[in-house]
Amino acid sequence: KAGVTQTPRYLIKTRGQQVTLSCSPISGHRSVSWYQQTPGQGLQFLFEYFSETQRNKGNFPGRFSGRQFSNSRSEMNVSTLELGDSALYLCASSLDGGENTEAFFGQGTRLTVV
Amino acid sequence: AQSVTQLGSHVSVSEGALVLLRCNYSSSVPPYLFWYVQYPNQGLQLLLKYTSAATLVKGINGFEAEFKKSETSFHLTKPSAHMSDAAEYFCAVRVLRTGAGSYQLTFGKGTKLSVIP
Repeated sequence: KAGVTQTPRYLIKTRGQQVTLSCSPISGHRSVSWYQQTPGQGLQFLFEYFSETQRNKGNFPGRFSGRQFSNSRSEMNVSTLELGDSALYLCASSLDGGENTEAFFGQGTRLTVV
Repeated sequence: AQSVTQLGSHVSVSEGALVLLRCNYSSSVPPYLFWYVQYPNQGLQLLLKYTSAATLVKGINGFEAEFKKSETSFHLTKPSAHMSDAAEYFCAVRVLRTGAGSYQLTFGKGTKLSVIP
């Protein structure tokens, strides 16, 4: 069974640009969550998608957005990049995002903003 | 709000020694708790989870954790450390977002484990 696949693994972007990250969840999983990991702030929740709808959102500015497609694949977009957006972005998939369901993480996309 | 606190951002143990990584939770209701491990430049891998079925939870790679309600703790242990255990460990709790009606994982700050040969 294939795991969670995130592409690309590494990205270097310039301030002011925008970026799109992709996440393919485990087959059959309908919930996809995104997290930002930085040395200073740790792991912070960005948003969750379930059946193509954003169901949950963390405390991030509107520059951070996402979407989910009918095959459950998800993308997140960051516009007008800032230096502080440099981070490891992790995607997690689960069956339904319920209280007891296990979340499986991808290897992450390392974004560097210069 | 439900949260977890990990005590000690960095723990060093000798190979073969006991590993003890501390996690305390704050919750007014029985929580669902998790321990994850992250190796350098990798995602998170689930070690074990507490779901109220048993207070002592066994996970992968010889790790286990004990849920202690009286101490609001869920510490991670391993009897004998291996070099391959060197990684960062995260305690997490599933939190209900009341407005959204769905759950999210809230993580502790992480504990970096070093194993000394």
